Order: sequence, then C-alpha cells, then structure tokens
Amino acid sequence: GENVEQHPSTLSVQEGDSAVIKCTYSDSASNYFPWYKQELGKRPQLIIDIRSNVGEKKDQRIAVTLNKTAKHFSLHITETQPEDSAVYFCAASRGAAGNKLTFGGGTRVLVKP
Amino acid sequence: DSGVTQTPKHLITATGQRVTLRCSPRSGDLSVYWYQQSLDQGLQFLIQYYNGEERAKGNILERFSAQQFPDLHSELNLSSLELGDSALYFCASSPPGQGRNEQFFGPGTRLTVL
Repeated sequence: GENVEQHPSTLSVQEGDSAVIKCTYSDSASNYFPWYKQELGKRPQLIIDIRSNVGEKKDQRIAVTLNKTAKHFSLHITETQPEDSAVYFCAASRGAAGNKLTFGGGTRVLVKP
Repeated sequence: DSGVTQTPKHLITATGQRVTLRCSPRSGDLSVYWYQQSLDQGLQFLIQYYNGEERAKGNILERFSAQQFPDLHSELNLSSLELGDSALYFCASSPPGQGRNEQFFGPGTRLTVL
C-alpha cells in the first residue's frame, strides 16, 4: 500500500521567514496530494491541494510543488506569521480510484515572533 | 466550520465497554470516511462509505464496525474497548463527482478508555 514520509518532524522559524515541508510517497498511482493544518485539539483543515497533472499551485502565502518522477511534493509558506504555528500533514490518495488518504507523520511548525 | 458534525465531542469509558460515534456529512456529500488519530500512529484511515455502501477498508480492527444510513449519517461502533483505543476519531466527507477528491473533516470525538 501507499507510504507517505514527511520531513522535518518539527520546524522552528522566525516570523517573516519561509517554511518548507517535504513529503515523499511510494505509490505511483497516487494522483491527489492535499495538505492539512491542524491546531491543537482541532480538526485537520484542508489548506491547499494539488493533482498530478499540475506541477505547482499557489494560494496567497502558501504554495505546493509536485515532482511526479521523484514522487515528492512540498509545502512552502512564505512570510510566516504566528498564526501559522500548527501541525501540518501531507497526504496522498489515488483520487477517483480509491479516495482514502494516507497521511505523513506531520510537521510541528512554530513561528517565533 | 467544515459542515461535518460529530457527536459526542468527548467520551470517557472503561475497558471492555462498547461505544458509538456519530457523524453527519456536509449537505450533498455522499462519502464518509473514518480516521483514527493517536499520538504514536498519527492519522490512520479506518473505513469509507459511499451512499450507504462500504467502499474501502483500512486498518480497522475486527472489534470496530461502521455503517452509513439512508440519510447518509454514519456511525462507528467500537466494542471490547482497550486502553490503546484511546484516540481522536475523525470523520470526513467528500463531494460526489469525478475529480472531487477533497475531504472535509469534522471536529472529532475524543475517546478516553480508562
């Protein structure tokens, strides 16, 4: 089955700096890659996603890149703010062929003011 | 607010007991997914239902079962509970239609087994 690895497990950045989280996946049939943000005790919240027919997607201060050949995808947060502090999860699924999400282990991001 | 509701928010019970967690998907969503989040296992897929039918199974124990009802709400039943079943249980729903893969999570049920 699919295996998703996520690095780093913790990330501390200064406010205003950029944060990058990287994930690799094993199943070449995976074609949908969402990112979730989870604050302590809250639900995972979808913040951005990318499909395998696209190499990059941006939404204001966040962007995701996908390299299908290398089977890895990354989340980039620019101009970080204290409210970006949370745990971020990457995930992968086969989309219409089987929608279950396989999650990475999570990255705890701390933005220091 | 994702539009997915879950009850109860918290559940405290004893080993050996049985509990039922409830989930109502967003209006119009036909798929419901259940996930378990524990400290050592991360977010793990348990089971998916689509319009009342079981669609996919993940790492769901035999002591656990689920169903989706005609009104599309879903229930996850956990029996013969063990200490290790203590976790956050999330359900998520996704819209119908080709290419609609987004999953929206409910607020979760925190289960504590003593």
